[in-house]
Amino acid sequence: EDKVVQSPLSLVVHEGDTVTLNCSYEVTNFRSLLWYKQEKKAPTFLFMLTSSGIEKKSGRLSSILDKKELFSILNITATQTGDSAIYLCAVDTQGGSEKLVFGKGTKLTVNP
Amino acid sequence: EAGVAQSPRYKIIEKRQSVAFWCNPISGHATLYWYQQILGQGPKLLIQFQNNGVVDDSQLPKDRFSAERLKGVDSTLKIQPAKLEDSAVYLCASSSSDWGPNNFGNGTRLTVT
Repeated sequence: EDKVVQSPLSLVVHEGDTVTLNCSYEVTNFRSLLWYKQEKKAPTFLFMLTSSGIEKKSGRLSSILDKKELFSILNITATQTGDSAIYLCAVDTQGGSEKLVFGKGTKLTVNP
Repeated sequence: EAGVAQSPRYKIIEKRQSVAFWCNPISGHATLYWYQQILGQGPKLLIQFQNNGVVDDSQLPKDRFSAERLKGVDSTLKIQPAKLEDSAVYLCASSSSDWGPNNFGNGTRLTVT
């Protein structure tokens, strides 16, 4: 059974801290790994990673994939209270149909 | 561009009642997904449509859940009869690409009492 595990499940930091969120996976037919940010409503897309070792970066957020060790990390530097959200990791498996398998998410709280 | 529209935003029903959710994807998006997100969990795919055909419904509890996407545009998801464990947020997503959903609606929060 395809599995995506995120850690930690929750994290509380102060503004300005740097955080690292982890995502490991065991799936058949890996195609890509995606990170989403979910505040109160709809998950919003952050990154899609398909190749090992190539860092994706957007402002203070960055992510990298290791296909050999089957994990990805999401880094957030100089955190702000607006970064408080649930960060979801999902793996796109391709086995006849496109299917995203999600982890449980990491709840990040950034205190002022 | 307008996002994925879902209605209603909230619904409270008693167990054994029926409920329906509606989704209008982004214009031109051929792929539409329904997800169930239980509190504290990541979204779980229920059903995937490509145009008006079902691509994957392997995780849809077919004894009580049904979905359709007539004309390949908007979609409805129905639960009949509802159980307490159906309490969740039901998310609709659409995509124009073939690598997975990247446009989610705000969801319908269902509470079954």
